[in-house]
Amino acid sequence: AQTVTQSQPEMSVQEAETVTLSCTYDTSESNYYLFWYKQPPSRQMILVIRQEAYKQQNATENRFSVNFQKAAKSFSLKISDSQLGDTAMYFCAFMNQETSGSRLTFGEGTQLTVNP
Amino acid sequence: DTAVSQTPKYLVTQMGNDKSIKCEQNLGHDTMYWYKQDSKKFLKIMFSYNNKELIINETVPNRFSPKSPDKAHLNLHINSLELGDSAVYFCASSQWGRGKETQYFGPGTRLLVL
Repeated sequence: AQTVTQSQPEMSVQEAETVTLSCTYDTSESNYYLFWYKQPPSRQMILVIRQEAYKQQNATENRFSVNFQKAAKSFSLKISDSQLGDTAMYFCAFMNQETSGSRLTFGEGTQLTVNP
Repeated sequence: DTAVSQTPKYLVTQMGNDKSIKCEQNLGHDTMYWYKQDSKKFLKIMFSYNNKELIINETVPNRFSPKSPDKAHLNLHINSLELGDSAVYFCASSQWGRGKETQYFGPGTRLLVL
């Protein structure tokens, strides 16, 4: 079974600065997807970024980028130029690619607060 | 033009009652899911349907029964509600096929059992 660990329950950052959220996972699979979702106070789960394990290039989406280290089973999220609207709970999630329509296994979440 | 919608958004009920949560998606996806988020915000899969066929059935009490009348709808019926069922329930959908499995979530239904 896969497990996902987010070791930082809470983090804070000043507006306009950069912050990195950590995620590690454990799997015996070689083909899989990794995701970061954010959950603001509105409770909506919003996809931030996605990475396919077979791709060596790190995914980027505007101010959001990942550092994917497959051998180390590490998948950190970097948020540049932090904005007040980035305040949210961030979840790292794993999906086995071999079984389409498969489950997302989530980490415990990291509560990020962006301070003005 | 909501992609994944759930009704109701809030549900307050007494122990022992039966309640249903409905989910609809207009993304044209063929796979739908129910997740439960507990009081510590931990998210866990409950069920998944692909083309109306149950493909994931986690260790969930029999009081929970999903139903998928068609690809665009997935409902969750809960019998004999218990205090421990209080949580936020999320519906999600995705498309079966490599490279397309990103799951998109509904707004969640907050269930409070008194």
